[in-house]
Amino acid sequence: EIVMRQSPDTLSVSPGGRVTLSCRASQSIATNLAWYQQRFGQTPRLLIYGASTRATGIPARFSGGGSGTDFTLTISSLQSEDYAVYYCQQYHNLWAFGQGTKVEIK
Amino acid sequence: EVQLVQSGAEVKKPGESLKISCKGSGYSFTNYWIGWVRQMPGKGLEWMGIIYPGDSDTRYSPSFQGQVTISADKSINTAYLQWSSLKASDTAMYYCARRNIVVGEQSFDSWGQGTLVTVSS
Repeated sequence: EIVMRQSPDTLSVSPGGRVTLSCRASQSIATNLAWYQQRFGQTPRLLIYGASTRATGIPARFSGGGSGTDFTLTISSLQSEDYAVYYCQQYHNLWAFGQGTKVEIK
Repeated sequence: EVQLVQSGAEVKKPGESLKISCKGSGYSFTNYWIGWVRQMPGKGLEWMGIIYPGDSDTRYSPSFQGQVTISADKSINTAYLQWSSLKASDTAMYYCARRNIVVGEQSFDSWGQGTLVTVSS
């Protein structure tokens, strides 16, 4: 079973700031990784798949990178609507989510 | 427009059975895997299992194997998640989600609105 670990659990960022979230897999998953955003009280939304491909309609300020076991999600200039919880998900062997990183207002 | 519409909120007692649904529209329902995801109150997302409606091929997370049953009725474009005997710890929001339409991709690109299940005596 592949375990996903995200860090940190919480990030405090000022509007307009740049933020990088990390996700580590317990074994290599190639680029079989997605990132999701879940705003408070809302349904999760796919941001990135294949580790670095933006989903339809996702702004260019979101970018993903990495392969193997270490991955990042970067938001280049944080907007008010970006304050949310972000989850990584592997689908290399079945599926599994990380525990989430909360991005909050500083 | 792709839509996954889930059944409404449920309030049940421990030991009762339950089946919730997820109806797809706006795409070829039989050709895309549908997954189920649990979110307990204040907690993160947990993948439970997935079904291919075309032939009902089903995979479960080890954490949920034997605890729930996933099924589908392709004639009415609907997937199901069911419990035979609910526990208080099953209280959660449950989401269905469609596997990505991009060929070869296994992420979830469309999500249902969620079904809140409350189990309390």
